Amino acid sequence: DAKTTQPTSMDCAEGRAANLPCNHSTISGNEYVYWYRQIHSQGPQYIIHGLKNNETNEMASLIITEDRKSSTLILPHATLRDTAVYYCIVPNYGGSQGNLIFGKGTKLSVKP
Amino acid sequence: DSGVTQTPKHLITATGQRVTLRCSPRSGDLSVYWYQQSLDQGLQFLIQYYNGEERAKGNILERFSAQQFPDLHSELNLSSLELGDSALYFCASSPRTGNTIYFGEGSWLTVV
Repeated sequence: DAKTTQPTSMDCAEGRAANLPCNHSTISGNEYVYWYRQIHSQGPQYIIHGLKNNETNEMASLIITEDRKSSTLILPHATLRDTAVYYCIVPNYGGSQGNLIFGKGTKLSVKP
Repeated sequence: DSGVTQTPKHLITATGQRVTLRCSPRSGDLSVYWYQQSLDQGLQFLIQYYNGEERAKGNILERFSAQQFPDLHSELNLSSLELGDSALYFCASSPRTGNTIYFGEGSWLTVV
């Protein structure tokens, strides 16, 4: 089973920041949080990952709480092309379900 | 473009037939993963290879098999195909287990 909990869906206005939350209350101290997204029927796209510090790249920012039990992915200026299902994943290395267990994710709809 | 190449992009075949899906990982990546995504299921991990050796096995049917060749490309063989095998099949790769995984654009398989 996925170790993370995400809202099923969210809406965001074009040009505004999209803040996607994720709970991972059972995360261990050395486990990373990864974010991927899947635009309709395309291959999942890696966005960002982090351990304990906040991270930023050209696509997004990742804010991880100090207790590491939750995180937020921030798309600073959402566009219509950011409409996708966003997956928050804590990889499971060595498990029989593979490294990445994809739950249902959050369906983000960016509206004009 | 993730650098992971999958062929064919689309495939239509009849029940009972056998098909082979091919994956070329990103240059230098030693680990290859296969995932299945059907309409009523999320992304399901099938199998992982690392440098030619099977590393992890998920919910892969006995009718399915995979291998990774010395040049690191991988093939997923699907036999005795059933209507329910119709799905998107994704290949992904990473330098080693524990690194970020990058996905290809998938192979659409339709069984009629």
